[in-house]
Amino acid sequence: AQSVAQPEDQVNVAEGNPLTVKCTYSVSGNPYLFWYVQYPNRGLQFLLKYITGDNLVKGSYGFEAEFNKSQTSFHLKKPSALVSDSALYFCAVRDRGGNNNDMRFGAGTRLTVKP
Amino acid sequence: DAGITQSPRHKVTETGTPVTLRCHQTENHRYMYWYRQDPGHGLRLIHYSYGVKDTDKGEVSDGYSVSRSKTEDFLLTLESATSSQTSVYFCAISFGANPPTYEQYFGPGTRLTVT
Repeated sequence: AQSVAQPEDQVNVAEGNPLTVKCTYSVSGNPYLFWYVQYPNRGLQFLLKYITGDNLVKGSYGFEAEFNKSQTSFHLKKPSALVSDSALYFCAVRDRGGNNNDMRFGAGTRLTVKP
Repeated sequence: DAGITQSPRHKVTETGTPVTLRCHQTENHRYMYWYRQDPGHGLRLIHYSYGVKDTDKGEVSDGYSVSRSKTEDFLLTLESATSSQTSVYFCAISFGANPPTYEQYFGPGTRLTVT
């Protein structure tokens, strides 16, 4: 079965600095990979996905993520953090040969951007 | 929140009582999901549906049942609530188009407390 690890519970960055939120995954086949963001008292919002093609994917709000097959990673990045980026971030994986229902989420990383 | 509403948004109930949570969508999506969110666990799939009266179990289905008698409504029932079912419950949909979009879109959540 597939799984996702988000090794950092908390990431703190200063506004204007680059940010990285880490994600590693495990699947038996090839992965579909996703990032979601959750603001307080809200549902998860889809940010970006890797399905196939270019390893660098761009998403909403200036976020991007790089798929690295050899390192089984899909780290979320942003060149210049904003205070409004402070939220809970979830990485998710699905095996390409699996079903829609077989999405696995990481435990989440809380990003705090300080002014 | 992708045209998804959940009701109630907050509920406090006593151990042993039945509870039903409702998810309503307005866009006739085929696939619907119920997740629970707990600290340190991310989101875990409880049940999902791939059409009217077509449902199946997820990763943490024990103690939960679901029903889908109409495309727009997906109900989650706790037959006899326990304190371990205190959680935030999220409904999600995915677009079963051709090709499908793979990512899921989430409702605002229901915070359930079992005392």
